[in-house]
Amino acid sequence: GAGVSQSPSNKVTEKGKDVELRCDPISGHTALYWYRQSLGQGLEFLIYFQGNSAPDKSGLPSDRFSAERTGGSVSTLTIQRTQQEDSAVYLCASSFGQGSYGYTFGSGTRLTVV
Amino acid sequence: GENVEQHPSTLSVQEGDSAVIKCTYSDSASNYFPWYKQELGKRPQLIIDIRSNVGEKKDQRIAVTLNKTAKHFSLHITETQPEDSAVYFCAAFFTGGGNKLTFGTGTQLKVEL
Repeated sequence: GAGVSQSPSNKVTEKGKDVELRCDPISGHTALYWYRQSLGQGLEFLIYFQGNSAPDKSGLPSDRFSAERTGGSVSTLTIQRTQQEDSAVYLCASSFGQGSYGYTFGSGTRLTVV
Repeated sequence: GENVEQHPSTLSVQEGDSAVIKCTYSDSASNYFPWYKQELGKRPQLIIDIRSNVGEKKDQRIAVTLNKTAKHFSLHITETQPEDSAVYFCAAFFTGGGNKLTFGTGTQLKVEL
């Protein structure tokens, strides 16, 4: 596609439920990143996929968070047993791949845990 | 570990004045420094970037300077306009940090009429 597409754009869920967030990167971009942005805060790195390499999971805040990337394209970020502190905007970005390139961000998914 | 510090956290200028945002980084091997602009409720967008083999880059009213020795880089916006009001993030690409960008904490720029 022309840009990075994320869905849903908004998600309200009850505490304790599981949620799945989807990211469809720009065609041809081999690198895909997930970041989290809490209200008025900066960009917190979560996880990074590069081609067929093992993902860099060093930013995942707990074992309730996981992500996968199927076929080197679409990625899903799963949060199990959601907590109120998980409420944030989850941003996905993609880039041309290994090496120093700028990211293109998606519009994000605003997650609210009530 | 990798670290990017950004100052100031908020900046208010009069329309037409210049604005400068500064960042420092910790890894001397970093070689790529982009700047992102995030308007309220929107995605961060790349506005300018610089690689470690140059010291300055300009694009109309925006410029970025890089001092590798001091490990700091700055964003300069001249002739500011109300539409420049946004949060600006600097970032550095750490080759030793898993080949990903580390972002500064952001600067809220407000351009007042």
